[in-house]
Amino acid sequence: EAGVTQFPSHSVIEKGQTVTLRCDPISGHDNLYWYRRVMGKEIKFLLHFVKESKQDESGMPNNRFLAERTGGTYSTLKVQPAELEDSGVYFCASSQGQGGHEQYFGPGTRLTVT
Amino acid sequence: AQSVSQHNHHVILSEAASLELGCNYSYGGTVNLFWYVQYPGQHLQLLLKYFSGDPLVKGIKGFEAEFIKSKFSFNLRKPSVQWSDTAEYFCAVIPTASGTYKYIFGTGTRLKVLA
Repeated sequence: EAGVTQFPSHSVIEKGQTVTLRCDPISGHDNLYWYRRVMGKEIKFLLHFVKESKQDESGMPNNRFLAERTGGTYSTLKVQPAELEDSGVYFCASSQGQGGHEQYFGPGTRLTVT
Repeated sequence: AQSVSQHNHHVILSEAASLELGCNYSYGGTVNLFWYVQYPGQHLQLLLKYFSGDPLVKGIKGFEAEFIKSKFSFNLRKPSVQWSDTAEYFCAVIPTASGTYKYIFGTGTRLKVLA
């Protein structure tokens, strides 16, 4: 069974540019989560999809961040325009069932905004 | 606000030493509890989880954790660490009655085991 995959693994962009991160969850997992870890801090929740619907987006920092999950399969997280404080590692996770179950994490995308 | 505290940010041990990593959470209701590990260059992997039942939970690679409800704690233990346990360890909590299923993570503990 393939795990959660994320693309790209690293991205370096300049302030003001746009970046799109992609996450492919484990097949059959309806729940998809995005998290972010800023250097030295804890991993923080961004949002939760159930299939194609946003169940909880309380962790999204501001309207420069847009997440989509068209068709309930893979998800993208776009940052536009990127700011210096957006640098960090963005993790995607997926889980099956109604939620509250263990989440399976991808390797993360390391985003550096210069 | 709900939070998870991992008091030890960096731990250095010699092989065969015993390990205990602290995790405390601030939430009065029912919780699901998890410990994850991230080995160098790898993704986060589940070590163990607690939903209900026996508060002493055994996980992979010889790790165990004890849920003490009165102390809001879920400490991770291993009787004898190995060099290969060098990694970062994360405690995570889901407050199940909150209606949300997001993890609330601690800041992580970096463990270095000296050969």
